Amino acid sequence: GAVVSQHPSWVICKSGTSVKIECRSLDFQATTMFWYRQFPKQSLMLMATSNEGSKATYEQGVEKDKFLINHASLTLSTLTVTSAHPEDSSFYICSARVTSGRKYNEQFFGPGTRLTVL
Amino acid sequence: AQSVTQPDIHITVSEGASLELRCNYSYGATPYLFWYVQSPGQGLQLLLKYFSGDTLVQGIKGFEAEFKRSQSSFNLRKPSVHWSDAAEYFCAVGSGGGSYIPTFGRGTSLIVHP
Repeated sequence: GAVVSQHPSWVICKSGTSVKIECRSLDFQATTMFWYRQFPKQSLMLMATSNEGSKATYEQGVEKDKFLINHASLTLSTLTVTSAHPEDSSFYICSARVTSGRKYNEQFFGPGTRLTVL
Repeated sequence: AQSVTQPDIHITVSEGASLELRCNYSYGATPYLFWYVQSPGQGLQLLLKYFSGDTLVQGIKGFEAEFKRSQSSFNLRKPSVHWSDAAEYFCAVGSGGGSYIPTFGRGTSLIVHP
């Protein structure tokens, strides 16, 4: 149980275009999801906390107009990278927090999305 | 602010040998500590966590970790490594307040030789 999926697993786009990444909790409801960015051989950096039905909370230094987050349902959060540039190329990972049951407050991670901007 | 240091970028061990991955944290209060494993194409998986109580924590896949407050460490150990253990390992420290949002270390890449 507690599976999180991401789609797409990888995407290549041209500079200036927008890319949407989906994060779904498949077998549980998640009022809170998280978006991370991971550079090669580096740590996961928390970008924002996505809350169902309300605005996302962004970490310091993350441009909210650049990285649009929508958490419209209890099982889906989306990250849209707007007007993507090569420096946005990275590995984006989402996680969802369990809010009930035996695994209360544990985070489950998606497999990640590799974004390459040409 | 909380932070995590994993001093080893990569570790190479032979299959069947013992393993210890180092982790040091910085946090003002009693930390919540985690170890995650990341395999290619898969999401991060929680190996074990320490919130309170017994400082020796048992996790999945035969891993264990020991919280040593005096050394600000939470090293991960396994007595006998299997080839399938080759992966990236992340130590993380979480803040309190019930949120447990982890701050990750840079990771240690484990290479297993046959």
